[in-house]
Amino acid sequence: AQSVSQHNHHVILSEAASLELGCNYSYGGTVNLFWYVQYPGQHLQLLLKYFSGDPLVKGIKGFEAEFIKSKFSFNLRKPSVQWSDTAEYFCAVNSASGGSYIPTFGRGTSLIVHP
Amino acid sequence: DAMVIQNPRYQVTQFGKPVTLSCSQTLNHNVMYWYQQKSSQAPKLLFHYYDKDFNNEADTPDNFQSRRPNTSFCFLDIRSPGLGDAAMYLCATSPFSRVDTQYFGPGTRLTVL
Repeated sequence: AQSVSQHNHHVILSEAASLELGCNYSYGGTVNLFWYVQYPGQHLQLLLKYFSGDPLVKGIKGFEAEFIKSKFSFNLRKPSVQWSDTAEYFCAVNSASGGSYIPTFGRGTSLIVHP
Repeated sequence: DAMVIQNPRYQVTQFGKPVTLSCSQTLNHNVMYWYQQKSSQAPKLLFHYYDKDFNNEADTPDNFQSRRPNTSFCFLDIRSPGLGDAAMYLCATSPFSRVDTQYFGPGTRLTVL
């Protein structure tokens, strides 16, 4: 079964610092990769996604992620964080396995950005 | 605005008393999902509907059931809630296929006394 690991559970940064959140998955077949964000008091929403093509994808609010197939990774980056980026970030993988399409989420990373 | 709506936002029930959570969508999406999320854990998929086709995850307890009477509505029934079922329950939809982007509702926080 697919598993998704987010190694950083809690990250605290100051504004303007750079951010990189790690995400690794286990299944080596065809995958669709997502980062979702949950701002305080709001529902989960899509930040960015990778289906195919350029492995460097850009999302909303200056976020980007790079798919490295050989490393089974899809790390999220932002060069300069803002206080408004304080949120919970979830990596998710959709993979076709044995005819079943099961979305699998990581446990999330809580990001706090100090002004 | 098109969206995914969950009712109620907060539900308190007693141990063993059946409870139903509801989800509706105005997006006309084909796929609907139910997740259980406990504190500091990943959302765990309970089941999903691909159109009318019901898919139950292997480790979803029999205590949990679901109904999708039409495209817009989906229900999660917990027949005999235990203390371990206290969690946030998330409903999500996808437009066409099960590998699409998911659109989430705000969740229902279930408390079991």
